[in-house]
Amino acid sequence: SYVLTQPPSVSVAPGKTARITCGGNNIGRKSVQWYQQRPGQAPVLVVYDDNDRPSGIPERFSGSNSGNTATLTIIRVEAGDEADFYCQVWDSSSDHVVFGGGTKLTVL
Amino acid sequence: EMQLVQSGAELKKPGESLKISCKTSGYSFNTYWVAWVRQMPGKGLEWMGILDPGNSEAKYSPSFQGQVTISADRSIATAYLQWRSLKASDTAIYYCARGFPVGGVREFDYWGQGTLVTVSS
Repeated sequence: SYVLTQPPSVSVAPGKTARITCGGNNIGRKSVQWYQQRPGQAPVLVVYDDNDRPSGIPERFSGSNSGNTATLTIIRVEAGDEADFYCQVWDSSSDHVVFGGGTKLTVL
Repeated sequence: EMQLVQSGAELKKPGESLKISCKTSGYSFNTYWVAWVRQMPGKGLEWMGILDPGNSEAKYSPSFQGQVTISADRSIATAYLQWRSLKASDTAIYYCARGFPVGGVREFDYWGQGTLVTVSS
């Protein structure tokens, strides 16, 4: 089965840039989505189809995807960005949804 | 307004059955898939399965195949997640989410608020 690998944690100072990676075999050939989950809340879609943002999501959030790694980039990080982030793909070989293990973003 | 509203928290005993619901509104129920996602305490998101309401076909994660049943009632635009015999390890928050059907399913753009299921003797 297809596996997505994320670092357990990423720390960044306010105003700096955070990069959260999502590794998978030839993930560059797949469409990658990213979700933000704040404590006690449901997940929220922040990036879809590698680098598109739903309405209402700040331009500070962007994504990229190539080779074996997809990346969520958050520029000018704010305290309110602190949350767990998950990547997700559809694995067409098995017709299954796959989530990464999640990355806890800490704003120092 | 697009909404997925889930049924309330449940406290059940091991071996009991349970069916939780996800009532949708604000869009054509048959057009988008509905997924169920488990989140155990302090853990990440786990995909359980997904339903195409248009043909009532469900696909399951191997981890949940045979353990749960996903269904829907199109007449009331509601999806369901059902257990025949709960275990303590089923204690978790369960989310439903609307799946955008492109190349299978692409993104989950709207989520329910979650249903906390606690299984304890």
